[in-house]
Amino acid sequence: GQQLNQSPQSMFIQEGEDVSMNCTSSSIFNTWLWYKQDPGEGPVLLIALYKAGELTSNGRLTAQFGITRKDSFLNISASIPSDVGIYFCAGQLRDSNYQLIWGAGTKLIIKP
Amino acid sequence: NAGVTQTPKFQVLKTGQSMTLQCAQDMNHNSMYWYRQDPGMGLRLIYYSASEGTTDKGEVPNGYNVSRLNKREFSLRLESAAPSQTSVYFCASRKTGSFYGYTFGSGTRLTVV
Repeated sequence: GQQLNQSPQSMFIQEGEDVSMNCTSSSIFNTWLWYKQDPGEGPVLLIALYKAGELTSNGRLTAQFGITRKDSFLNISASIPSDVGIYFCAGQLRDSNYQLIWGAGTKLIIKP
Repeated sequence: NAGVTQTPKFQVLKTGQSMTLQCAQDMNHNSMYWYRQDPGMGLRLIYYSASEGTTDKGEVPNGYNVSRLNKREFSLRLESAAPSQTSVYFCASRKTGSFYGYTFGSGTRLTVV
């Protein structure tokens, strides 16, 4: 099936540091989505991107839709303890009917 | 609003047993989805229902069946459970024409022994 390559797989950071993660694919996407999943819960949508080159912020989170439409990144500025969790990218392929392809996730851990 | 409600939260089955995972949403969404989540992998779509009365296969439908009972409810059935079906199962629903209304339940953790 289609693949989204999400990296890094995990990150150990200090509170207050900035975080960056990305997703790449060989396929072209119409939409990129970024989700966060807390333990024992389902994913929650953070940011949706609909146009190539689009840069969108949600508080301390900023995400961009790559110009080639094959990649996206998510930045978190000044991380805080509640940022801990697993972040997933998901993409809607061109010509698909709202079906999403998911990355394997980036686990964010904040060092005490 | 409860959003998307899944039952049960945890289940242990023996190989060959059957069971049905229940999902209900109270947001008047047309589309509903069943995903499985395995360690180190993204969510994989099992089945979806674009609207009441329709269902379609996703990426990994083998070993599963679904029923869109009405607009609110979408159930997933394992007829003869196998250890490979050990996973966390998520139901989701979506408002027509939008990803912002794409809402997940809290999941069912299924273990098949």
